[in-house]
Amino acid sequence: NAGVTQTPKFQVLKTGQSMTLQCAQDMNHNSMYWYRQDPGMGLRLIYYSASEGTTDKGEVPNGYNVSRLNKREFSLRLESAAPSQTSVYFCATRAGARETQYFGPGTRLLVL
Amino acid sequence: KQEVTQIPAALSVPEGENLVLNCSFTDSAIYNLQWFRQDPGKGLTSLLLIQSSQREQTSGRLNASLDKSSGRSTLYIAASQPGDSATYLCAAIGTAGNKLTFGGGTRVLVKP
Repeated sequence: NAGVTQTPKFQVLKTGQSMTLQCAQDMNHNSMYWYRQDPGMGLRLIYYSASEGTTDKGEVPNGYNVSRLNKREFSLRLESAAPSQTSVYFCATRAGARETQYFGPGTRLLVL
Repeated sequence: KQEVTQIPAALSVPEGENLVLNCSFTDSAIYNLQWFRQDPGKGLTSLLLIQSSQREQTSGRLNASLDKSSGRSTLYIAASQPGDSATYLCAAIGTAGNKLTFGGGTRVLVKP
C-alpha cells in the first residue's frame, strides 16, 4: 500500500519546455488535488478533481492543465514552463468531504 | 474569500514545555479544519481533523480545539520533544467540502 506517489521527485526545465507531473493513489479515494508550495506563500490549490471525469480550477490555475485519467491517476501538465513556476508541487487525495486529506512526497521543479 | 493565518511564523521552546499553536480564519462557515505536520523536504502528514460540529479532537499528546464563532483553532502539544520540531500547518475546508485553504505555517524548534 504505497498511498500517494508522485513522479518525478525532482526536475530541471528550461523556460518554454513542457512536462507532466504524475500522481497516483492506491487508496480508492474519489478526490484528488494539485498544490504548489512557495516560500512565504504557503500551499495554494492549482486544480482539483472531485471525482473521476471531473476537474475544477483552484486558486492559481494559469499555466497549468490537468487530466484525471482514471480514479487512481491525476496528472498536472506545464505546456510552456516559466521561471515563476519554480516550486514544490504536491498531490493530495481525499475519500470524501469529511475525510482526512493525504499528501504525496512532492516534486521539486526548477525552471531556468 | 477564506483567509487563514498562523501566528507566530516561528517558535522555539525548550524540551518538555507545552506548545500552543494558533490558527485563525476569516470565514466561519467551514466544513472542517485540519492540522498537518511537515518535515523539511517532505510532504504533509495529517495530525488531526476537526469536524465543524466538534469543539476539539485529541490524539496522544496532541489536542486541537475549534471555535467557529471566533474563527480560531488551537493545536496543543503536551510535553514537547525534539522530534516535534517541524512546521505545523492548519487548513480550513470550505462548506462546498472540496477546497482547503492553508495557513502559512508555524515552524517549531524544540531544543534538547
